[in-house]
Amino acid sequence: AQKITQTQPGMFVQEKEAVTLDCTYDTSDPSYGLFWYKQPSSGEMIFLIYQGSYDQQNATEGRYSLNFQKARKSANLVISASQLGDSAMYFCAMREGPSGNTGKLIFGQGTTLQVKP
Amino acid sequence: GAVVSQHPSRVICKSGTSVKIECRSLDFQATTMFWYRQFPKQSLMLMATSNEGSKATYEQGVEKDKFLINHASLTLSTLTVTSAHPEDSSFYICSARIRDSPLHFGNGTRLTVT
Repeated sequence: AQKITQTQPGMFVQEKEAVTLDCTYDTSDPSYGLFWYKQPSSGEMIFLIYQGSYDQQNATEGRYSLNFQKARKSANLVISASQLGDSAMYFCAMREGPSGNTGKLIFGQGTTLQVKP
Repeated sequence: GAVVSQHPSRVICKSGTSVKIECRSLDFQATTMFWYRQFPKQSLMLMATSNEGSKATYEQGVEKDKFLINHASLTLSTLTVTSAHPEDSSFYICSARIRDSPLHFGNGTRLTVT
């Protein structure tokens, strides 16, 4: 069974508008972490935002925010005021277990975002 | 700036040869590094966990004799693709963890086997 699911293979958004990228996860471990990474065509993986399972508030980092709905096991990424440079592939990932463990990540299938001018 | 350096960024080799990819942590010691493989427009698949001073832990289905991992120091892990074949052509990317911080990735290596 998929532990991390991204159901949107591709998304389009108009420049300056907001977009939500979906991510659902499955784990029985009460302690886990959720990550979003951006991968431009160059291939590098750029860390965007992190949410711990015990964090009370939704994580925010600049134009990125994570809509964490624990009961629904979803961790959607919201990008506000989209820019042309946001066009890339976006991956949701999960680390099972507390942050003190080795840090092995399981990745979703990815969503390709294209920002239209 | 980059905290994980991966080299080379691109390599083309002939079938049957071996290729070594290096992953270095810059300015920090990484007792654990991870090696991922990514096919075009697909997700990252964990190949193995590289542990400094001990044997790597391979994921199910990954041939350890094919993908040799050495983590000889706290700042360097190497992945050697032995007797490479065209089906080994892929994007290989390493990552390292700095204490409780999120994983930091190298820039990846695009391997093409002809």
